[in-house]
Amino acid sequence: EIVMTQSPATLSVSPGESATLSCRASQSIRSNLAWYQQKPGQAPKIVIYSTSTRATGIPHRFSGRGSGTEFTLTISSLQSEDFAVYYCQQYNEWPALTFGGGTKVEIK
Amino acid sequence: EVQLVESGGGLVQPGRSLRLSCAASGFTFDDYAMHWLRQIPGKGLEWLSGITWNSYTIGYADSVKGRFTISRDNAKNSVFLQMDSLRVEDTALYYCARDIQAAGFNWFDPWGQGTLVTVSS
Repeated sequence: EIVMTQSPATLSVSPGESATLSCRASQSIRSNLAWYQQKPGQAPKIVIYSTSTRATGIPHRFSGRGSGTEFTLTISSLQSEDFAVYYCQQYNEWPALTFGGGTKVEIK
Repeated sequence: EVQLVESGGGLVQPGRSLRLSCAASGFTFDDYAMHWLRQIPGKGLEWLSGITWNSYTIGYADSVKGRFTISRDNAKNSVFLQMDSLRVEDTALYYCARDIQAAGFNWFDPWGQGTLVTVSS
């Protein structure tokens, strides 16, 4: 099973600033990585897939990078609606799909 | 509008069974693989099981392998999760989610709103 590790667990950011979230895979997953956003009381929503492709309706301030084992999600100029928990998920090795533990982006 | 609606959750005793259902609408159901995932309240996400459009490929997480069974009925636009030998640690919110392809397992879009399963004596 591929283990996904996210850091930090919590990121305190002021509105208008940028946030960079990290996700590390225990072995290479090429570019087969997705990011989800989850707000309290809601189901997760896809933000980024294939490492860097924004899902439909996702603003350009969200960007993803990386390959192999190291990945980042950057949210530039954070808006109030961006404060949430973000999860990365690998789909390189299936059927055993795995998630990271999540990073909570909170208002500083 | 694409919609996934889970049902079948509830309170069940350890060792008993429960069957979850997910009704899909707003898209051609047999064009997509489907999945079940769960989330312990306040904790992270865990993929449990997936099934391709024709049920030829089915996968399970080690945590539920041998206890949970996924199935689908394309005529009824539904996917199911039969959960046997339930444990206290299976208590969670269970989500149904659509894959982005018919064959193979990828990422999930969209997700249902979930159904809560509580395993307790």
